[in-house]
Amino acid sequence: AQRVTQPEKLLSVFKGAPVELKCNYSYSGSPELFWYVQYSRQRLQLLLRHISRESIKGFTADLNKGETSFHLKKPFAQEEDSAMYYCALKGTDKLIFGTGTRLQVFP
Amino acid sequence: DSGVTQTPKHLITATGQRVTLRCSPRSGDLSVYWYQQSLDQGLQFLIQYYNGEERAKGNILERFSAQQFPDLHSELNLSSLELGDSALYFCASSLRAVNTEAFFGQGTRLTVV
Repeated sequence: AQRVTQPEKLLSVFKGAPVELKCNYSYSGSPELFWYVQYSRQRLQLLLRHISRESIKGFTADLNKGETSFHLKKPFAQEEDSAMYYCALKGTDKLIFGTGTRLQVFP
Repeated sequence: DSGVTQTPKHLITATGQRVTLRCSPRSGDLSVYWYQQSLDQGLQFLIQYYNGEERAKGNILERFSAQQFPDLHSELNLSSLELGDSALYFCASSLRAVNTEAFFGQGTRLTVV
């Protein structure tokens, strides 16, 4: 089965603290994974994809095939990072999303 | 602006009614996806069209249907509406059916009263 699991509905941290949003996936084959972000009252937008191995807004994510994980990390959270974060897997024909994690960064 | 346009932005209707949500994909994109976002369910894939043909189906109720027209815009029809259908409905488009980034519209917020 193709599935994405984000175990945390809400993650609250203080500004400057490290952040790790967890994502685990189930997929037979070579997965293509993404992180999407949705700021308040805005549309979903792509944050990063594992293929690019890039760092966007200080966020990075590494694909760990052994642990079937694609956790999103940032060493020092900022207040403007507060948003809903979705991990997504490119399945056979569609994007499969996790249920999302709301990140709250307090001043 | 992602280039994906959804109308209307907000919709309030009564139970039992039928509504149509519209999505115009980015220029050149052939694939359209519909997603439902509710508080307790997160983002649920409903259906995908590619160049006018249904490509993939997710957790879409029988009361819901969709189509993609020759000009590639898509409509999601929701009928016999129930209170639980209240949600944000997102449309996304991508160039091809697979292996390309999806761009999302701002969504239509449907409230069923």
